[in-house]
Amino acid sequence: AQKITQTQPGMFVQEKEAVTLDCTYDTSDPSYGLFWYKQPSSGEMIFLIYQGSYDQQNATEGRYSLNFQKARKSANLVISASQLGDSAMYFCAMRERGTSYGKLTFGQGTILTVHP
Amino acid sequence: GAGVSQSPSNKVTEKGKDVELRCDPISGHTALYWYRQSLGQGLEFLIYFQGNSAPDKSGLPSDRFSAERTGGSVSTLTIQRTQQEDSAVYLCASSLGGWRGGGDTQYFGPGTRLTVL
Repeated sequence: AQKITQTQPGMFVQEKEAVTLDCTYDTSDPSYGLFWYKQPSSGEMIFLIYQGSYDQQNATEGRYSLNFQKARKSANLVISASQLGDSAMYFCAMRERGTSYGKLTFGQGTILTVHP
Repeated sequence: GAGVSQSPSNKVTEKGKDVELRCDPISGHTALYWYRQSLGQGLEFLIYFQGNSAPDKSGLPSDRFSAERTGGSVSTLTIQRTQQEDSAVYLCASSLGGWRGGGDTQYFGPGTRLTVL
């Protein structure tokens, strides 16, 4: 079974509008962390935001927020006021404490295109 | 401060040759990770180092792959007798280490693009 599922292969958004990128996860470990990374066409992986499984509030970092719904096992990324520079591939990833807590397991990614 | 650096940025080799990929982590980061990114397989974990030891090598796809880390710093990923299916971008990441409530963020290098002809 897929541990991280990103169901949107591609998303389009108009500049200055908000967009939500979906991520669902599967784990029986009560202790885990969820991450979003951005990968522009240049290839580098850029950390955006993190949410811990015990965090009571949704994480926010500037224009990025993470809509964490623990019971639904979803961790959607919300980008407010999209900019042309937000066009990139976005990956959702998870660490689980119980199984080799070092590694990240990634979803397949969502390509976001921001139109002017 | 300096980020994670990787060398070479590109490597083209012939099938059957050995290659070495290098990763220099962020100073002070005790944990180091190797991942592989390919079109067919997405992003796959290969190996994780804490200090010089590798508590998790579960992602190494075959015994042709090995990695070492010396002095708790630089790491080398070696692929012996390369095959065409080894063609991918190899990404290295580093972090402070430990669980940190799940939030031990991994910072990635620019990657090495390996092409096996």
